[in-house]
Amino acid sequence: NAGVTQTPKFRILKIGQSMTLQCTQDMNHNYMYWYRQDPGMGLKLIYYSVGAGITDKGEVPNGYNVSRSTTEDFPLRLELAAPSQTSVYFCASNRPGTSNQPQHFGDGTRLSIL
Amino acid sequence: AQKITQTQPGMFVQEKEAVTLDCTYDTSDQSYGLFWYKQPSSGEMIFLIYQGSYDEQNATEGRYSLNFQKARKSANLVISASQLGDSAMYFCAMRGENRDDKIIFGKGTRLHILP
Repeated sequence: NAGVTQTPKFRILKIGQSMTLQCTQDMNHNYMYWYRQDPGMGLKLIYYSVGAGITDKGEVPNGYNVSRSTTEDFPLRLELAAPSQTSVYFCASNRPGTSNQPQHFGDGTRLSIL
Repeated sequence: AQKITQTQPGMFVQEKEAVTLDCTYDTSDQSYGLFWYKQPSSGEMIFLIYQGSYDEQNATEGRYSLNFQKARKSANLVISASQLGDSAMYFCAMRGENRDDKIIFGKGTRLHILP
């Protein structure tokens, strides 16, 4: 199984540009999450989804949008890139209802806004 | 509100020694889970060990064990016989009950294993 796949792995954007970070999982997990990790820091939750058609804001949602049209995919959209959004972005997923299940992470997307 | 605190931003340990990484947490939930993740320099997040709040025994996974002290709200990670490959960032994390399975993370501890 591929697990959680994120694309692209690296991207440089100019201020004001937009882009979509892709995330797909093949484990039939209902729950999916987007985190950002700033240098030397822990992970902060941007958005999460408990199933297709359902999304909710996390700790730092400003400047981002998400959609969840299928169980497999959970793309993250940056509409107007700002330097403060330079970070590493992680997508994660897990099965619901079993508290001992760890989140499965993708390898991350390293994004620089210049 | 839930909170995870890791007070050691960085640690240096001699190879083959045991190391303890501190983690304290705050929650009003009765049921919760605690996780430790390893993030090597390559950047991926690797799940290491889990401890449930109702588990009576401390969790162990190979060289990793969790020193769980519920009354003190601490969940320290112990790595026995450290290896050079253990050099990484380590994150403590918690999932509470009825919180859409959201996990919150501490700021991490960077561990350096010295040869």
